[in-house]
Order: sequence, then structure tokens, then C-alpha cells
Amino acid sequence: GGIITQTPKFLIGQEGQKLTLKCQQNFNHDTMYWYRQDSGKGLRLIYYSITENDLQKGDLSEGYDASREKKSSFSLTVTSAQKNEMAVFLCASSIEGTGVYAEQFFGPGTRLTVL
Amino acid sequence: GDSVTQTEGPVTLSEGTSLTVNCSYETKQYPTLFWYVQYPGEGPQLLFKVPKANEKGSNRGFEATYNKEATSFHLQKASVQESDSAVYYCALSDPSGSWQLIFGSGTQLTVMP
Repeated sequence: GGIITQTPKFLIGQEGQKLTLKCQQNFNHDTMYWYRQDSGKGLRLIYYSITENDLQKGDLSEGYDASREKKSSFSLTVTSAQKNEMAVFLCASSIEGTGVYAEQFFGPGTRLTVL
Repeated sequence: GDSVTQTEGPVTLSEGTSLTVNCSYETKQYPTLFWYVQYPGEGPQLLFKVPKANEKGSNRGFEATYNKEATSFHLQKASVQESDSAVYYCALSDPSGSWQLIFGSGTQLTVMP
């Protein structure tokens, strides 16, 4: 088995601040993902990465940057936090992106509050 | 493009009653289908997956049949428990190589004792 670790668990920032969320996985999976989950809503894909140093934009990439410098880690940066922004950011990984191997394993999330 | 449509929530049931969460999908290929469950304060976790048409997946009393003709994958449980209260997501993986899981919008289930 494996585990996905997200840090921090809670993140409080100021409007306009650049904020970075980190994700580590020890599954040795090639593909990693960042999702945003707003209260009462579904999962929206921000960025994903097929392999180390690869980045692919999801539907919600505007206002975010991502970095995949190692196979095991995937970081997400909120480039300018918006006031009253409150969401949970979920990191996930999978063996690959297609068929049965597309099963994604999720971390516990980082809860963001912007004051 | 690919899409997944599922029962709009929230759904509130009494313990011991039956559950059906509808899931329909659109895709040009033959996808692998998934049901995920998300408990409060946690990330989603796989409930089960079914890679082949006309096969059934099941776990923890939940089941769903991959109906290729109807393009449906409805989640069912005969008798829900309070511990089943969670958000349920239907998802598909398109083998054409989009490298994404396409998720439905989620269905919030609350089971009253």
C-alpha cells in the first residue's frame, strides 16, 4: 500500500498573497493531480502531471501554478489568493491515466481560508 | 467530450431503507467505470470499479452494474446504515487517453437513525 500526504492541513492567507500547497506520494505512481473542491460542489481539476517535469492544465488552472520536480511530489501555488476564498484542495495520484490504471488515490486535503 | 451525470443531492434516507444513486455517462469509447465515496474530512476513496460492460461491481453492500446499452452505472444498496452518510461520486476513465477521470457532481447522502 501507500499513502498521500498533503501539507499543510489548514492554510490561512491574506488577500493577494502567494500560497503554496504540497503533496507527497509513496505509491511510486507516475501521474498526479490537483483538484479544488468547494463546499457542496464536486471536484474540479486544476492541474495534472503525467510524469516528472510534466504539467497539464485542467479546467480550473487560471490563478494557479504547479510544479512536479520529483516523481513523488507535486506542488500547487495559488498565485494571488482571493478574499473570501474558501475551498479544499485535494491531491491524487494514479499508476497512469487510462483504463483500470486510472484509479486515483486521494490525500486528505488542504483546507484554504483567505482573510 | 466525455461526461457523467448523477443524481442531484442531497438525499436523506432512514436507516434500513434502500438507496439508488443514478449515474449516466457519455463517451465514444468503452470506459472503465468507478464509484468513489468521500467521508467528512477525508479525500475520496474508491468504492469499486468495473472495467467491462455487463459486469457488476460491489463493495460494503453497495453494487452497480455496467450497462453499456443504457450507458448507466447506478449505485444501489438494499439497506443503508447511518455510517453510509457520505458524498458519492460516479466517474469514468476513457481509454482514448485523456489522462483524466471524469467525475460526476457528487451526491450527498445522509442516513438518519
